[in-house]
Amino acid sequence: ETGVTQTPRHLVMGMTNKKSLKCEQHLGHNAMYWYKQSAKKPLELMFVYSLEERVENNSVPSRFSPECPNSSHLFLHLHTLQPEDSALYLCASSQPGQVFEAFFGQGTRLTVV
Amino acid sequence: GQNIDQPTEMTATEGAIVQINCTYQTSGFNGLFWYQQHAGEAPTFLSYNVLDGLEEKGRFSSFLSRSKGYSYLLLKELQMKDSASYLCAVLDSNYQLIWGAGTKLIIKP
Repeated sequence: ETGVTQTPRHLVMGMTNKKSLKCEQHLGHNAMYWYKQSAKKPLELMFVYSLEERVENNSVPSRFSPECPNSSHLFLHLHTLQPEDSALYLCASSQPGQVFEAFFGQGTRLTVV
Repeated sequence: GQNIDQPTEMTATEGAIVQINCTYQTSGFNGLFWYQQHAGEAPTFLSYNVLDGLEEKGRFSSFLSRSKGYSYLLLKELQMKDSASYLCAVLDSNYQLIWGAGTKLIIKP
């Protein structure tokens, strides 16, 4: 238990579906991150929120839409995804500017069919 | 470009020693990290090196040579529970974490 909880753990969705991934942390952190982890590839940083404001968007397609309503919650809204978007999506949290001391959630295994 | 290289997969025997290598080319260096990730689980922090040399923590040790852009993670007295992926990551000059693809370590009895 890392203090960062992601739901659901597994998700299968069609290319026309809309779904959301949820992340919740109770560590008192003020920065939250979404990562994509594909098989045999490095972790890819998708979005960074610091103090509830988006501070980084690493050229992620618009079919991925993040939302950070407060410092404890982070969402990733998904729509019209492609099969190549199938991956493990990891949420992490840390104090601002301390990404190297981030705590990770267990991830959501997403399969797009 | 920035790059982290580590072997894709390694196999070792329970009770033995294994060394997982990581080489990096990054724009600046502010530290190197090793994480352990069991299948379907969150990556968890193992070690941090910012100066050259060996850092020992129980059965695990991590070594860094900044001049060579090289690190290794040494696991001693291997146990079955050590079967996992080991991720190498470097903090660059912008304090961004650059990740390797991970090394899947398989432990056999």
